[in-house]
Amino acid sequence: GQQLNQSPQSMFIQEGEDVSMNCTSSSIFNTWLWYKQDPGEGPVLLIALYKAGELTSNGRLTAQFGITRKDSFLNISASIPSDVGIYFCAGLSNSENTPLVFGKGTRLSVIA
Amino acid sequence: EAGVVQSPRYKIIEKKQPVAFWCNPISGHNTLYWYRQNLGQGPELLIRYENEEAVDDSQLPKDRFSAERLKGVDSTLKIQPAELGDSAVYLCASSEGSGNTIYFGEGSWLTVV
Repeated sequence: GQQLNQSPQSMFIQEGEDVSMNCTSSSIFNTWLWYKQDPGEGPVLLIALYKAGELTSNGRLTAQFGITRKDSFLNISASIPSDVGIYFCAGLSNSENTPLVFGKGTRLSVIA
Repeated sequence: EAGVVQSPRYKIIEKKQPVAFWCNPISGHNTLYWYRQNLGQGPELLIRYENEEAVDDSQLPKDRFSAERLKGVDSTLKIQPAELGDSAVYLCASSEGSGNTIYFGEGSWLTVV
């Protein structure tokens, strides 16, 4: 099935550093979602974006809906060990017949 | 408020055996999804229900997979017979309607040996 291009695939960072990851698509989306998945768990919603240009924060997390509606990024500031996990972007169009499309994920490792 | 509940959490079966997964969506969510997540990949949609109607099952391998949502609430996903390549996480999710934010359960982790 169709997937988004998410990068980087993996990251190793020092505790306290900022992190940035992004997602691009050839298709226009009307909603961008960012999820985090811990080992052995299902994806948990972090941030939802509904409008082009929208910038939304959730604690140390900030995400933006690209102006072109074909991309989005997620930033994590001052990373901590519990930020470890896999982060997925997902895009949704307004068409009822188009399912939520996921990226392949960014695996984040935080070194204390 | 309870989230999406799935069972079993983990299942190990021999190939050619049947397996079934159960899902209870968030109360009031009329849209229910089954996704499959292979190792190192993002989730991919298998089937989507609006109430009791399957409105998108184009990605469901119908030769061995089946799903039902008889009363428009709980749902089951069945694989019969299972193959080695079916080893994956089967995620159930729900939303208030198509186009709204989707919330996932913890997943049912299947290993076929």
